[in-house]
Amino acid sequence: EIVLTQSPGTLSLSPGERATLSCRASQSVSSSYLAWYQQKPGQAPRLLIYGASSRATGIPDRFSGSGSGTDFTLTISRLEPEDFAVYYCQQYGSSPKWTFGQGTKVEIK
Amino acid sequence: QVQLQESGPGLVKPSETLSLTCTVSGGSISSYYWSWIRQPAGKGLEWIGRIYTSGSTNYNPSLKSRVTMSVDTSKNQFSLKLSSVTAADTAVYYCARDERYCTNGVCYNWFDPWGQGTLVTVSS
Repeated sequence: EIVLTQSPGTLSLSPGERATLSCRASQSVSSSYLAWYQQKPGQAPRLLIYGASSRATGIPDRFSGSGSGTDFTLTISRLEPEDFAVYYCQQYGSSPKWTFGQGTKVEIK
Repeated sequence: QVQLQESGPGLVKPSETLSLTCTVSGGSISSYYWSWIRQPAGKGLEWIGRIYTSGSTNYNPSLKSRVTMSVDTSKNQFSLKLSSVTAADTAVYYCARDERYCTNGVCYNWFDPWGQGTLVTVSS
C-alpha cells in the first residue's frame, strides 16, 4: 500500500501570502494518478488538481500543482479569504485503489 | 450537471448493518466507476470501495470483509452495505464519481462530483 504523507499539518498564513503544501508518497506514484482536493467545514471535498498539475474546471489559476515520483506540491500563489481550508492529496494505485494523505489545514494567521 | 445525493439511516446500532444509497441525477450512471468514501469527525478521508455499472467492485482491504456494494442502473443508484458496525464506523459517508480520462496514451483518475455527505452514527 502506498502511503501519502502531507506536510505541514497546519500552515498559518495571511491573505495575500503564498502557500506551499507538500505530499510525499512512500513509493513512486504515476503523476497522472495524483490529485488534490480542497475541503471547507461542513462541505464535501472539491477537486482542484488532477494529473499532478492540471487544474479542474473552474479552479482559479492561483492554484497550481507540480511534482513527480514521490514528491508533489500544491501551491496557492496568493491566498484569498476563501482559500483557508483543508487540502488533501490522493493517489490511484493497485490495492487499495485509492489512498488519501492525512490533510494540510491552511489557517488564517 | 451531474449531482449525487446520499440517503439512508442516520443512526445504526452496533453489530447491525449500515445501508446507504447514492442517487445520481443530471446524467447517466452507466459506464463509470462510483466510489464511497468516509470521514470520521475531525479526521481525514478513507476510501471504502467502488463499483462499476457492470457490477464489478474493488474494496479497501481494510474493510473488504464487511463491505458489499451494488448498483441499480434502472434507478440511477448505487448502494453501500457495511456489516457488523461499531462506533469506529461513525463518520460522514460520501459518494463520488470515480472519473477516468485517457488521452494520448495517458490516463488520469479523480473523484468528481461528490455528494454532500451523510452522517451515520453508530450507537445503541
